[in-house]
Amino acid sequence: RKEVEQDPGPFNVPEGATVAFNCTYSNSASQSFFWYRQDCRKEPKLLMSVYSSGNEDGRFTAQLNRASQYISLLIRDSKLSDSATYLCVVNYLGNFGNEKLTFGTGTRLTIIP
Amino acid sequence: DGGITQSPKYLFRKEGQNVTLSCEQNLNHDAMYWYRQDPGQGLRLIYYSQIVNDFQKGDIAEGYSVSREKKESFPLTVTSAQKNPTAFYLCASSIDPWDRGGNQPQHFGDGTRLSIL
Repeated sequence: RKEVEQDPGPFNVPEGATVAFNCTYSNSASQSFFWYRQDCRKEPKLLMSVYSSGNEDGRFTAQLNRASQYISLLIRDSKLSDSATYLCVVNYLGNFGNEKLTFGTGTRLTIIP
Repeated sequence: DGGITQSPKYLFRKEGQNVTLSCEQNLNHDAMYWYRQDPGQGLRLIYYSQIVNDFQKGDIAEGYSVSREKKESFPLTVTSAQKNPTAFYLCASSIDPWDRGGNQPQHFGDGTRLSIL
């Protein structure tokens, strides 16, 4: 099983719709979680951190479910500019000073006019 | 403006040649990282450094080398031993995760595309 798994898509969604995708992780000791956005041939950019209580930033809502070991991203009122690949990132900090940040392969989202 | 600068944007390597990718940050971050991204794959960690003069191998360190002589700089050398170097290379930095309890995102440079001639 991959450490971090995402549905690669593509998700083709009409403008204005709501879209959600999940990301599952295998290491139950993972401590921090992020969603990044990556445009074609560009670097990943932090979209939002994911907190245990869930958090919202404008049209974007992130949730963490530790029991089922997944995080989710919900995008409301989708815009054409939301078209991108969304990377799920999971961080583990070990007791011996090791850090392991694991990236999912990304979910490609295309918003259709 | 603070940020991470990678250079060059595009790099071509001949067979048997070593090439060095530059990464500089002025964010005063302690930790720096090098990743490689291949089509259809997630980012894979090559090397990381949590402090000056120290660095650790990531998941795919073979064929690569790094140095961390200054806090701001973390160059990556792709050696001739790396037989499949064509990829998008990303450098990232973050505040030392152990300083702030771990919830520190990484910030990325805009990448270097390396191809074989």
